[in-house]
Amino acid sequence: LAKTTQPISMDSYEGQEVNITCSHNNIATNDYITWYQQFPSQGPRFIIQGYKTKVTNEVASLFIPADRKSSTLSLPRVSLSDTAVYYCLAISSGSARQLTFGSGTQLTVLP
Amino acid sequence: NAGVTQTPKFRVLKTGQSMTLLCAQDMNHEYMYWYRQDPGMGLRLIHYSVGEGTTAKGEVPDGYNVSRLKKQNFLLGLESAAPSQTSVYFCASSYRTLYEQYFGPGTRLTVT
Repeated sequence: LAKTTQPISMDSYEGQEVNITCSHNNIATNDYITWYQQFPSQGPRFIIQGYKTKVTNEVASLFIPADRKSSTLSLPRVSLSDTAVYYCLAISSGSARQLTFGSGTQLTVLP
Repeated sequence: NAGVTQTPKFRVLKTGQSMTLLCAQDMNHEYMYWYRQDPGMGLRLIHYSVGEGTTAKGEVPDGYNVSRLKKQNFLLGLESAAPSQTSVYFCASSYRTLYEQYFGPGTRLTVT
């Protein structure tokens, strides 16, 4: 079961790029790194998923180095509405039982 | 297209009472999940289902039972509620394990 470690909290200012790093030293070969965003009183929402190298979509980029022991979620030009908790998960293609969200990173975007 | 819906949104139970939470999805997803989220914590997987008629235990299954009689519905039951089960319960569904999970709005349960 791959355990992920993230910073508890981060602050940023509007318009800045934010990078949130996740450590997953014991990631398994068939694990994918997935990030979710959660606003207060709502269920999490999928942001991005990757296996290695770089993945980009309309809201974020995900960087995973060759050793896959860590990953970085990059949010370009954040706004106040990006204030949320961000979760890094290592999801196995083999079993849903290994889903665990951890405590996440509280990102606060300041004006 | 409603996505994932949960019933009820709020509930207060006394210790020892029972209740069933209903989750419904209209996306024809195979996988469904029940999570609980305690204040300031991440989500923990209670039970999940990989298809109609199948269920499996997650990380924290004790005190809960589930059923998936229809593909679109996933029920979570508490037979004898305890104060430790006070939490927000989220249901989610996905096409497969690695696919995006879609979450419901949550049910806030208080056990006194």
